[in-house]
Amino acid sequence: AQSVTQLGSHVSVSEGALVLLRCNYSSSVPPYLFWYVQYPNQGLQLLLKYTSAATLVKGINGFEAEFKKSETSFHLTKPSAHMSDAAEYFCAVRGSTLGRLYFGRGTQLTVWP
Amino acid sequence: DAGVTQSPTHLIKTRGQQVTLRCSPISGHKSVSWYQQVLGQGPQFIFQYYEKEERGRGNFPDRFSARQFPNYSSELNVNALLLGDSALYLCASSLTAVYQETQYFGPGTRLLVL
Repeated sequence: AQSVTQLGSHVSVSEGALVLLRCNYSSSVPPYLFWYVQYPNQGLQLLLKYTSAATLVKGINGFEAEFKKSETSFHLTKPSAHMSDAAEYFCAVRGSTLGRLYFGRGTQLTVWP
Repeated sequence: DAGVTQSPTHLIKTRGQQVTLRCSPISGHKSVSWYQQVLGQGPQFIFQYYEKEERGRGNFPDRFSARQFPNYSSELNVNALLLGDSALYLCASSLTAVYQETQYFGPGTRLLVL
């Protein structure tokens, strides 16, 4: 079975501070992992994905995530937050031959000026 | 290039009614998946279609049905609407239905059931 746990439903940081959004996964097969971002009243936009090629994955808008099998984690980071990063972030896992994604409950990121 | 498009953008229905939501995938994509996102939660998988065949179904009642057309567009139908069906319905497309494919999401249809 596959599942995702996102620790912290809300994260607040100051502009310029480090962003760290946590994601732990459970998968019975080698996982493919994704981070999506959702801006208000919009759909989901792919930030980055892990597909077993490299454990450190770089995405758009300066975000990156590191796959740690021993910790079953795929945390999302950005060195310096920008006001435009304020949004909801979803971690998702796909761990079977089917295409379905299993999403976490999301983390709302607030960036203070 | 156009992304995934969905129509309508917003919809208001009353309990017991039926609704049809539409999705056009990215050009060249042959797989469409549907997700339901209730306020405050992550998206939940409803269906996946590939080459007009159902390839997966989530834990949703039979009131939910879908189909995919020869041009790979898709419709999601929900019968006998309940208040709890109020949600953002997201469509995602991918080139195929295989494991490695990235799913690209549309803007969603926001359904309100009164």
